Amino acid sequence: KNEVEQSPQNLTAQEGEFITINCSYSVGISALHWLQQHPGGGIVSLFMLSSGKKKHGRLIATINIQEKHSSLHITASHPRDSAVYICAVNYGGSQGNLIFGKGTKLSVKP
Amino acid sequence: DAGVTQSPTHLIKTRGQQVTLRCSPKSGHDTVSWYQQALGQGPQFIFQYYEEEERQRGNFPDRFSGHQFPNYSSELNVNALLLGDSALYLCASSSLRSGNTIYFGEGSWLTVV
Repeated sequence: KNEVEQSPQNLTAQEGEFITINCSYSVGISALHWLQQHPGGGIVSLFMLSSGKKKHGRLIATINIQEKHSSLHITASHPRDSAVYICAVNYGGSQGNLIFGKGTKLSVKP
Repeated sequence: DAGVTQSPTHLIKTRGQQVTLRCSPKSGHDTVSWYQQALGQGPQFIFQYYEEEERQRGNFPDRFSGHQFPNYSSELNVNALLLGDSALYLCASSSLRSGNTIYFGEGSWLTVV
């Protein structure tokens, strides 16, 4: 069974803290996505990774293919970072057919 | 560029009714995928359309059907609605030519009463 596990499920941080969200998956993948979902429902794609590390502003995403694990880091967190962060994977090269984790709800307090 | 647009944003239907949700992909994208997201859960893959054909399908009953038009826009139809069909329905578009980056719409909130 293909599964995507995220941890933690909920995370509360103080403004300025360094945040790490973890994602693990069970079998080989073609790509891993980190997504952000705000309460209104819309999802924004943050990163798509197949190897290594990517950085965009205060966000950093890493993936370890051998360990089947990825992390999303947020440096100098801010209340506007509060959202649900979702890890999703493509198995077997299926473009757009994503298997999603259940998400990590992040709340950053001022 | 309007990105991915979905309509309607919210709707309420009665059990047994039928619903049609619509999606316009991001300009230049030819692949449309539909997902169902129940409250507090991650999205679940329903199906994917490419070149007006259903290319892949998730574990959803035949009550869920779709269509893709020549302009790449897509519809999701759900027949004989059940209370459990209440969810956020998300459309995502992508294209091999665009490097497989996936863009999501804001979703359509469906409530079945």
